[in-house]
Amino acid sequence: DTEVTQTPKHLVMGMTNKKSLKCEQHMGHRAMYWYKQKAKKPPELMFVYSYEKLSINESVPSRFSPECPNSSLLNLHLHALQPEDSALYLCASSQDPFRDTEAFFGQGTRLTVV
Amino acid sequence: DQQVKQNSPSLSVQEGRISILNCDYTNSMFDYFLWYKKYPAEGPTFLISISSIKDKNEDGRFTVFLNKSAKHLSLHIVPSQPGDSAVYFCAASGDYTGTASKLTFGTGTRLQVTL
Repeated sequence: DTEVTQTPKHLVMGMTNKKSLKCEQHMGHRAMYWYKQKAKKPPELMFVYSYEKLSINESVPSRFSPECPNSSLLNLHLHALQPEDSALYLCASSQDPFRDTEAFFGQGTRLTVV
Repeated sequence: DQQVKQNSPSLSVQEGRISILNCDYTNSMFDYFLWYKKYPAEGPTFLISISSIKDKNEDGRFTVFLNKSAKHLSLHIVPSQPGDSAVYFCAASGDYTGTASKLTFGTGTRLQVTL
């Protein structure tokens, strides 16, 4: 099983809404990631969780709030977003945050902020 | 500062021929390189990787070559098939910041395999 599952697949939210993106993996991976991808651009790293602790925050605005409730789950809480935050949000996991191994990506959540 | 670059935004290849996708990097701390394939509105799918201690890695139709001195890698697909049409990203890791490794992606090359 090399699956990373993201929900929802699509999300439309207003600028005053609060919503959450969810990510789940059952591969026993200890590193989990949030990436953001705009059209015709490469994925850009937002956060890295290493052994359920926030390890890297790539200067992401506080309107994005990550959470790792346990080793299998990763959430991204969204509040007061702007239309320019509309993008594909990708979750990924890898076996060990301190070893060079491949990361497996979920299908992404297509977020539209209106 | 784009540390991983794919200078060809698009490539068109006939079915059955070889596709060669190129990638250059600037950060000498990178020591592990990966290729991902991506369809629209989907997450990237891992294809093949190579460690800096090697200069070649093969997996079926896919071969990755690494030239460390030139800071260059390439992905060869032989023979190319219509189903290979997608955007290909190279990615690099090894530049440890904080307490975990992270992937840095190139800008992507759109491959179109024609009949």
